[in-house]
Amino acid sequence: EVQLLESGGGLVQPGGSLRLSCAASGFTFSGYVMSWVRQAPGKGLEWVSDISGSGGSTHYADSVKGRFTISRDNSKNTLYLQMNSLRAEDTAVYYCAKERGSSSSGVDYWGQGTLVTVSS
Amino acid sequence: QLALTQSPSASASLGASVKLTCTLSSGHISYAIAWHQQQPERGPRYLMKLNSDGSHSKGDGIPDRFSGSSSGAERYLIISSLQSEDEADYYCQTWGTGIRVFGGGTKLTVL
Repeated sequence: EVQLLESGGGLVQPGGSLRLSCAASGFTFSGYVMSWVRQAPGKGLEWVSDISGSGGSTHYADSVKGRFTISRDNSKNTLYLQMNSLRAEDTAVYYCAKERGSSSSGVDYWGQGTLVTVSS
Repeated sequence: QLALTQSPSASASLGASVKLTCTLSSGHISYAIAWHQQQPERGPRYLMKLNSDGSHSKGDGIPDRFSGSSSGAERYLIISSLQSEDEADYYCQTWGTGIRVFGGGTKLTVL
């Protein structure tokens, strides 16, 4: 059974940093593209970033480019999102998501999400 | 520019059927999409991948009441025999190299 368990969310001041983690199990982690998707309160889903199975290729939404860094440790089956220079508009539930294959192919499993609140 | 358009809301009666629409932007009508369901206060759940020819592959445990079809730039999610637990937000998603796009979501009310 595929399981994705996010952690690391919390309250942070504007300009601060936070690192999210996503522990994956139930599939061959290194074989799949992984993504982070967020949802601001009362809003829709917004793609944040994705990373290839090897970790060698990454992509970011314009809204986070230069501030967020996605990475993965395939030996630990864990996905990360380092978030720097946080802004109030980054407040959202952040979901870890597994894609269907080794290339861009859409999400087929979601984590339960972790809440990030950016406020003074 | 790759984009998806969804109606903000839809409604249908208990036991009836409903068809939700997701429209791909011009120049991208051959793209596959995925449908996701988000029940109130819960995380999203993958429903199915839907190809331009209407073929689809559903996620684990998704009931037969959920199906998909395609016509041109439009991708449809059809839910039959509506149940109260189908009241949720439904999002479509598409993708390309280096980009993922979500539609704005459709809030389905079961009357």
